[in-house]
Amino acid sequence: EDQVTQSPEALRLQEGESSSLNCSYTVSGLRGLFWYRQDPGKGPEFLFTLYSAGEEKEKERLKATLTKKESFLHITAPKPEDSATYLCAVQSPDTGRRALTFGSGTRLQVQP
Amino acid sequence: DTEVTQTPKHLVMGMTNKKSLKCEQHMGHRAMYWYKQKAKKPPELMFVYSYEKLSINESVPSRFSPECPNSSLLNLHLHALQPEDSALYLCASSQVPMTGSNQPQHFGDGTRLSIL
Repeated sequence: EDQVTQSPEALRLQEGESSSLNCSYTVSGLRGLFWYRQDPGKGPEFLFTLYSAGEEKEKERLKATLTKKESFLHITAPKPEDSATYLCAVQSPDTGRRALTFGSGTRLQVQP
Repeated sequence: DTEVTQTPKHLVMGMTNKKSLKCEQHMGHRAMYWYKQKAKKPPELMFVYSYEKLSINESVPSRFSPECPNSSLLNLHLHALQPEDSALYLCASSQVPMTGSNQPQHFGDGTRLSIL
């Protein structure tokens, strides 16, 4: 069974204080690891897809990396508008579900 | 603004009511999904449609009835719901997952459902 574990559960940063979010996963045959951002009362907003170990993607202050067991979302010099819940999800064909298995998310709060 | 549009944004209904949630996308995606999300929890898959045919039902109670009238529309018909069904209902779409790498799912902003 696919499993995704995110840490920390919650993170409070000062504006400009860089940090990383962790996503550990166990899947049989990774077909994609996805990062989403979710604001309160909104649906998840797609950020990145990573497919193979060593791959990196960047978007503004965010950088996602992937190893064979985990992914990191690095946030450089965050701003208050980066406050949100960040969700990690994996997709494997072996479940037969062809749908996403989500982690529980990291609630990020960036204070000015 | 998201490219997946869900209506209504909020819905309050009694346990004996019948209502429907609607979802529309114009990205040419042929896979569409319904998820249920409770507060401070990740989304949980309910149904998957692939090429307008139901391909996955995650053991969802029959009081939830999905429908895919065409490649752009997805409905969720609700009847005789329970208070524990109160949640955010999310629709998503993607290219049909293939045996290789899969494309991301794009979500709407959901319908906030409250059962009295």
